[in-house]
Amino acid sequence: AQSVTQPDIHITVSEGASLELRCNYSYGATPYLFWYVQSPGQGLQLLLKYFSGDTLVQGIKGFEAEFKRSQSSFNLRKPSVHWSDAAEYFCAVGVYNFNKFYFGSGTKLNVKP
Amino acid sequence: DTEVTQTPKHLVMGMTNKKSLKCEQHMGHRAMYWYKQKAKKPPELMFVYSYEKLSINESVPSRFSPECPNSSLLNLHLHALQPEDSALYLCASSQDRPGADTQYFGPGTRLTVL
Repeated sequence: AQSVTQPDIHITVSEGASLELRCNYSYGATPYLFWYVQSPGQGLQLLLKYFSGDTLVQGIKGFEAEFKRSQSSFNLRKPSVHWSDAAEYFCAVGVYNFNKFYFGSGTKLNVKP
Repeated sequence: DTEVTQTPKHLVMGMTNKKSLKCEQHMGHRAMYWYKQKAKKPPELMFVYSYEKLSINESVPSRFSPECPNSSLLNLHLHALQPEDSALYLCASSQDRPGADTQYFGPGTRLTVL
């Protein structure tokens, strides 16, 4: 069965520090991979996506993610976190054959001043 | 423009009421989705419409009734809801391939059932 795992429920980093949020997926073929961010009570905003090609993808707000097929991972990174980055981050996997998105359980990011 | 709009933003209803949630997009997308999101949880897929036809119903109770009047609009009709149905209801749309194309989300409707 397809699944998405975000092993970190909460992460706290200091403003200006680097960030890495982990995402692992379970799927037989190369899936479509996404990272979304959600501020409290708001909808989800797309940060970046990977369909094929270059395994390092750039997104909005200075985020990037790297697809590693051998590790079934799609980790999100940012070199210097800003206080406004505090939010919930969801990794998602799209499975075309099943017409579905599968969301990870989310990682809540807190940013210390 | 990658905007999906949802109305109302907030809705409070009793268990005997009938209400509707509305979603609209003008991106020419042909797939539209309803998700339910409880606090501190990821969105859970409820329904998928593809080319105005219901393609996925994730075993949602019949007190939730979706409708896609045209390619830009998606409604969710609510009747005889339970307090546990209180949640953030998110609408999304994508170009045409559910599960493959990027989904764009609306801001959601915060539903409270008394």
